Amino acid sequence: DAKTTQPPSMDCAEGRAANLPCNHSTISGNEYVYWYRQIHSQGPQYIIHGLKNNETNEMASLIITEDRKSSTLILPHATLRDTAVYYCIVRELYNFNKFYFGSGTKLNVKP
Amino acid sequence: EADIYQTPRYLVIGTGKKITLECSQTMGHDKMYWYQQDPGMELHLIHYSYGVNSTEKGDLSSESTVSRIRTEHFPLTLESARPSHTSQYLCASAGVGEQYFGPGTRLTVT
Repeated sequence: DAKTTQPPSMDCAEGRAANLPCNHSTISGNEYVYWYRQIHSQGPQYIIHGLKNNETNEMASLIITEDRKSSTLILPHATLRDTAVYYCIVRELYNFNKFYFGSGTKLNVKP
Repeated sequence: EADIYQTPRYLVIGTGKKITLECSQTMGHDKMYWYQQDPGMELHLIHYSYGVNSTEKGDLSSESTVSRIRTEHFPLTLESARPSHTSQYLCASAGVGEQYFGPGTRLTVT
C-alpha cells in the first residue's frame, strides 16, 4: 500500500475552515484515500473516503487532485470538538489487513 | 454510529496475572482487528481475523493471543501480564470498506 505524508500539526481558528493536506505520491490506481480522526486517545473515527472524485458528507469534504498524488480534507466550520489527530490512509478497497495509520496531523482548533 | 464494544475500559492489574480483553460487534462484520497504542504514539496492528476460526498476527509482534469462535466476538488474552504490556488496546471491525473502532481498553500492569 502507498505511504502517506502529513504535516505533524496545524492550527485553525474556531468557525473557520480547516484544510488538512496529505501527500500520497506512490498511490496506485486501485487504492482509495481514507480519512480518520482520533480524539484524545478514543478509538479512531471514520470520516470519509474516495477514489478519484471529490466526496462530501455531513462531516467533511475530500478533495483529491487529478493525478491523485495528494488530497485535502476540509472541515468547513471547525469547532473546538474537532481538535484531534487526523489520519490519511491509502489502501486497496479489499486489502483488509492494511490500515497503516502513521502519525497523522494534530489539528488544534483555537477559540 | 458503530456498534462495537470493549470491556473493561480501564484495567489495573499486577504482574503475572492472566487477563482477557473483550471485544464484541453487532454489525455482522467478518473482519476484526486489535491495535496497540501507547500515549501520543502511532497505532500498531497486533492481530486480525477474516472470519470465524481465522486469526493472523499483525505488523507488531505481541505476546498476546486471540480467538474467533463467533463472528461477533474477538477476545484478546495475555497469559502472564508484564509492565511492558501497559498500553491502550483498540478493537475494530470492518465490512467492505472502512473500519469501526471500539472505545479502547487502557491497561496498566503494575
